[in-house]
Amino acid sequence: AQSVTQLDSHVSVSEGTPVLLRCNYSSSYSPSLFWYVQHPNKGLQLLLKYTSAATLVKGINGFEAEFKKSETSFHLTKPSAHMSDAAEYFCVVSDGSSNTGKLIFGQGTTLQVKP
Amino acid sequence: KAGVTQTPRYLIKTRGQQVTLSCSPISGHRSVSWYQQTPGQGLQFLFEYFSETQRNKGNFPGRFSGRQFSNSRSEMNVSTLELGDSALYLCASSVTGERYNEQFFGPGTRLTVL
Repeated sequence: AQSVTQLDSHVSVSEGTPVLLRCNYSSSYSPSLFWYVQHPNKGLQLLLKYTSAATLVKGINGFEAEFKKSETSFHLTKPSAHMSDAAEYFCVVSDGSSNTGKLIFGQGTTLQVKP
Repeated sequence: KAGVTQTPRYLIKTRGQQVTLSCSPISGHRSVSWYQQTPGQGLQFLFEYFSETQRNKGNFPGRFSGRQFSNSRSEMNVSTLELGDSALYLCASSVTGERYNEQFFGPGTRLTVL
């Protein structure tokens, strides 16, 4: 069965400093992995996705993530945090037991950005 | 291109009632999935529809049901509402629903059960 574990429920950084949100996954299949962001009272927006192409994935708003199979990790990074990055971030794996789009979400990491 | 739309955005019901939520996918998208988001359980998959057929189902009781119409619009229904059904219900659409496809989420319907 597939699962994702977000290692931090809350991360606090200062504006202009790097962001690291950690995610480990478990999958019996070659995984499709995603990072989504949810701003307050908004729907989910895709930041980036990994689907077995390049292991370093670049997304929107300066975010990127690296797929490391040996560590079963898919950590999200950004070199310099902006106030507008404050939101809830979800690491997501696509259920590989079928070819359908069932997504399995991590518990989320709240990113706080201090001025 | 218009995004995924969900109606209504907010809903207040009492225990025992039933509710129907609606989702209109992005034009050309044939797969619609539904998710429940609560503070305690996080985001959980309810079901997915493709070409008017339920293709996948999460671990929810039979009170939760859905359907998809020929224009790909989808509805979900919850009967005999319980307090624990209070949640944000999110709908997502994708072109084919295959696991490599990006899913686009709507803003959600906030359901409060009193």
